[in-house]
Order: sequence, then C-alpha cells, then structure tokens
Amino acid sequence: QVQLRESGPGLVKTSETLSLTCSVSGASISRYFWHWIRRPPGKGLEWIGHIYYSEGSIKYNPALKSRVTMSVDTSKNQVSLNLRSLTAEDTAVYYCAKWDGYCANGVCYHWFDSWGQGTLVHVSS
Amino acid sequence: SSELTQDPAVSVALGQTVRITCQGDSLRTFYVSWYQQRPGQAPMLVMYDKNDRPSGIPDRFSGSTSGNTASLTITGAQAEDEADYYCNSRDSSGNHVIFGGGTKLTVL
Repeated sequence: QVQLRESGPGLVKTSETLSLTCSVSGASISRYFWHWIRRPPGKGLEWIGHIYYSEGSIKYNPALKSRVTMSVDTSKNQVSLNLRSLTAEDTAVYYCAKWDGYCANGVCYHWFDSWGQGTLVHVSS
Repeated sequence: SSELTQDPAVSVALGQTVRITCQGDSLRTFYVSWYQQRPGQAPMLVMYDKNDRPSGIPDRFSGSTSGNTASLTITGAQAEDEADYYCNSRDSSGNHVIFGGGTKLTVL
C-alpha cells in the first residue's frame, strides 16, 4: 500500500520561501510521476507541478513556474517543493499525489491514485 | 483551451440520480478522472481511465465522455456522497495538468 506524508512549516512569512517534503512509502520515488497540488481556502484544487525522476521530466503550472522548484531525493524516497516569494494568496492545504496510468496506441491515460493527507500552510506577514 | 468548467453546485434528493458535468476542449483529446473530496479530507479517486472505479467505490458511480463534455453520474445518491467533486485532465498541449473548478454536491 502506497502512503504519502507531507511535512513542513504551518506558518511562513510573506516574501519568504516555503519548503515542503513528501515522504513516500510503498513505491519507489524514481518509478512514478509525483505531483504537488494545493487547495486555497474556499477555492478549488490547483495543480502546482510534477516531477518524474527516471526521465528527468519536470513540469510546472505556468502561473507558478517562476516561483516553483521541485526535486527528488532517491536516498530518502522523498519529493520536495520550494515556493518562493510567498504572498497571502499562497495560503492553502498542500498535497502530494502519485500519478498512475499507461499509454496505448499513442494515447496516455493518467490519474492520481494516491494522495497525502495534506498540510496546511498559512502565509502571513 | 486550458480550462475545465464545472457547475459550482448541484443538489439531489436522497436516492435520486445526479449528473456532474465537466466541459473543456482538451477532453476531446485527453481522458478525464474524477475525485471526491469531503471536508477536511484529501481528494479521493472515484472514476478513471475510460469508465473504471477504484476498489471500494460503489457501482452507483459511473462516468462517460461525449465530445468536450465528461460526466460523473451517481445513481441512487446517498448521504455520504455529499462532497466536492473535481474533474481532472490535461490542457490542450498535454504538458500540464488541470482541474475543473469543482462541484459541491448536496444530498437533500
């Protein structure tokens, strides 16, 4: 059974950098796509980005691309998220999630089959 | 297009059928998955691939896609189905993941 657990500070100051870690058990961090997703209070889910270590593939939400960095630590089986220049708009519950799926006949099918419990981050001056 | 559009809120009487829809041009190319999120909980996959349910998801949940519209149907809605529902796919380029704005389902 795959388990994901997010960790990081619950409170950060505006203009600073948020660093979150997702610890994974039950699956190799190098074999799957790993995503960060957030949900601001009163709003819907927002995709932040993904990383696929085996192919060196990293994609970010264009709206956040200038402030986001994702990385993998294979020795610890962890995925990390750094989000710079924080504002109050970055206050949200942050989730890491695992993508599963396949490609057939030139079409790829993917879905989020495992999620962490989420970690609430409050950005305040 | 890089958007998926959902109705913000839908209600259904207990035991009745409700359809939650998701519209977007990218759905003509990429498949959709659906997630249920109850208050204080992480999202949970309820429908994926062409019309598959993960283990543990009741068969009252079904999915379909026609053109640029995907639908999640709950046949015989139960009180525990009250939650936010999100569709998920890719943008038209295929490079980025996108979510619909979410539909709040109320079971009356």
